[in-house]
This record gives sequence, structure tokens and C-alpha cells, in this order.
Amino acid sequence: AQTVTQSQPEMSVQEAETVTLSCTYDTSESDYYLFWYKQPPSRQMILVIRQEAYKQQNATENRFSVNFQKAAKSFSLKISDSQLGDAAMYFCAYRSGGNRDDKIIFGKGTRLHILP
Amino acid sequence: EPEVTQTPSHQVTQMGQEVILRCVPISNHLYFYWYRQILGQKVEFLVSFYNNEISEKSEIFDDQFSVERPDGSNFTLKIRSTKLEDSAMYFCASSEGPPGGSGGYEQYFGPGTRLTVT
Repeated sequence: AQTVTQSQPEMSVQEAETVTLSCTYDTSESDYYLFWYKQPPSRQMILVIRQEAYKQQNATENRFSVNFQKAAKSFSLKISDSQLGDAAMYFCAYRSGGNRDDKIIFGKGTRLHILP
Repeated sequence: EPEVTQTPSHQVTQMGQEVILRCVPISNHLYFYWYRQILGQKVEFLVSFYNNEISEKSEIFDDQFSVERPDGSNFTLKIRSTKLEDSAMYFCASSEGPPGGSGGYEQYFGPGTRLTVT
């Protein structure tokens, strides 16, 4: 079974600084997707960024980028120029690429605090 | 931009009562999901639904749970006899196409329904 591990329950970063959230996963599959979701206090789940396992290039979305290390099964999220609105719970997540198994498997989350 | 909606935003019910949580997926989506998040814990998959039948369900999704697409727009989760441990945030999600293949369609999440069982 696939698992997702986030080893940092909480992190803090100064506004305008850069922070990296860690995530590791375990799978025997070769075709899969990885995601980072943001959950602000409203508890809405917002997709931040996604990475297809077959793509070697790391995904980027504006200030958000990932470091995808497939062999190491590592998928970290880097937030550049942190803003107060980035304060939230961040979930790393995995989904199989196969048609039959489409559930998303979430990690336990990292709560990110932004210090003004 | 189209979005998934859920009603109610907060539901309080007494133990043993039946509740129905409602979701309106994005209109051209064909794949539907329910997840739940107990306060302070991770989000967990409950069930996926396609072509009017359950595609996959987790161990959590026991006989007390059922899902239905009663018409062309709603997707519901029913809990037949609620327990205290059913208190959680319930998220509906929908997707336009299958997860795999060349599409790799995204799951879009609704804002959630907070269920409190007293």
C-alpha cells in the first residue's frame, strides 16, 4: 500500500523568506501523481501544485516549486517570498496513475506559520 | 470558474440520527468522491463513484454509509445512524475524467461540511 509521510508537524518562516516543506512517499508503482494541497483556516482544500511521476522536470507555480527526487521518493515544496496568506496547513498527497485506483492518499500535514 | 459546492456548511446531529450531506459537483464531471477529515488529523478517502455505482471504498465506508446520485446534479453521502466518531469535516470532490492515462484529470474539492455528532 502507498504511504505519504510528512515529518514536520509545524514550521515557521519570516515573511519574504523561503521555506521548504518535506515529504516522502512509498510506492511500488511507476505511474503516479504527487500533489501539494493548502488548507487555510477555512478548511477548504486548495491544490497548490502537482507533479507527474514520468516528468523529470520539477513543477513550478509562481512562488511555489517542488523538488521531486523519484529514486529517493522525496517530494518537497519550496515557497519563495513567503506571504502572510501562505499561512495554512499543507498536505502532501499521492495518487496512482492507473485507472482503477484513483483515491488520493494524504500525509498528516505540516502547519506553516508566517512571522511578520 | 466552476466549483464544487456542499451543503450544509455545518450540521449538528444527535447520535443515532441519520444525516445526508449534499454535494453539487462541477457540471461536466463524471467521477465523484467523498473524503473525511477528523479534526487535527489527515484527510482520508471514503468512496469513489462513477457511472452510478461505487468504484472503490475504504474500510471506513461500512454499512452505515451510502452514496447516491439522485439526479443529474447532486451527489449525496448518507450516514444511517451517526456515532460520535463520525464527527469530522466531509469533503466532496469531482473529476472530469479518469485518473490515469493521458488525461490524469484533477479532483476538485468542495469547501466541506462540518458534521458534529452530539
